[in-house]
Amino acid sequence: KNQVEQSPQSLIILEGKNCTLQCNYTVSPFSNLRWYKQDTGRGPVSLTIMTFSENTKSNGRYTATLDADTKQSSLHITASQLSDSASYICVVANAGNNRKLIWGLGTSLAVNP
Amino acid sequence: DTEVTQTPKHLVMGMTNKKSLKCEQHMGHRAMYWYKQKAKKPPELMFVYSYEKLSINESVPSRFSPECPNSSLLNLHLHALQPEDSALYLCASSQLGLQNTEAFFGQGTRLTVV
Repeated sequence: KNQVEQSPQSLIILEGKNCTLQCNYTVSPFSNLRWYKQDTGRGPVSLTIMTFSENTKSNGRYTATLDADTKQSSLHITASQLSDSASYICVVANAGNNRKLIWGLGTSLAVNP
Repeated sequence: DTEVTQTPKHLVMGMTNKKSLKCEQHMGHRAMYWYKQKAKKPPELMFVYSYEKLSINESVPSRFSPECPNSSLLNLHLHALQPEDSALYLCASSQLGLQNTEAFFGQGTRLTVV
């Protein structure tokens, strides 16, 4: 079954600290993996998109890693800011016939002053 | 311009009303999508338009009727909705099939059915 699991479900950190969010997937065949940031009540905003040949991709203070062998990805946030408070969603694109995006449930991050 | 614009931002409608949600993009994308998102849940795909033709309908009830008047516009016509249809409705667009390319999402329409 195609699934995307994220951990932790929620996380609270202090402003300025770093954190790492995890994503494990069982989607096959794999096309790409995306990380989205979604503020409450707003549309998702793309942070990174990675194909199987990419191990690391950065977007400012966000760095995503992908291990296609173990089917794991992580999103590292450096020097967190209050505006980083949001839900971070891992999404895997299925390259098979159904051509679907498989969404994780997200990690809810709260950055406190 | 990497923006997908949705209107209205908020909508309250009765169960007997007819309303429409609108979505617009000027990135030249040929694929456009409607998603429904309930609180604390991931978005659920409803419809996909490719080259202005409906290519995927995820078994959505007929009270939701999509329309793609041209390559930049996508509408979702609503009629006889139920309170459980209250949700955030998201529009997205992409250059090609969503599984291969980046998708850009609008800010959503918060729909409340009373």
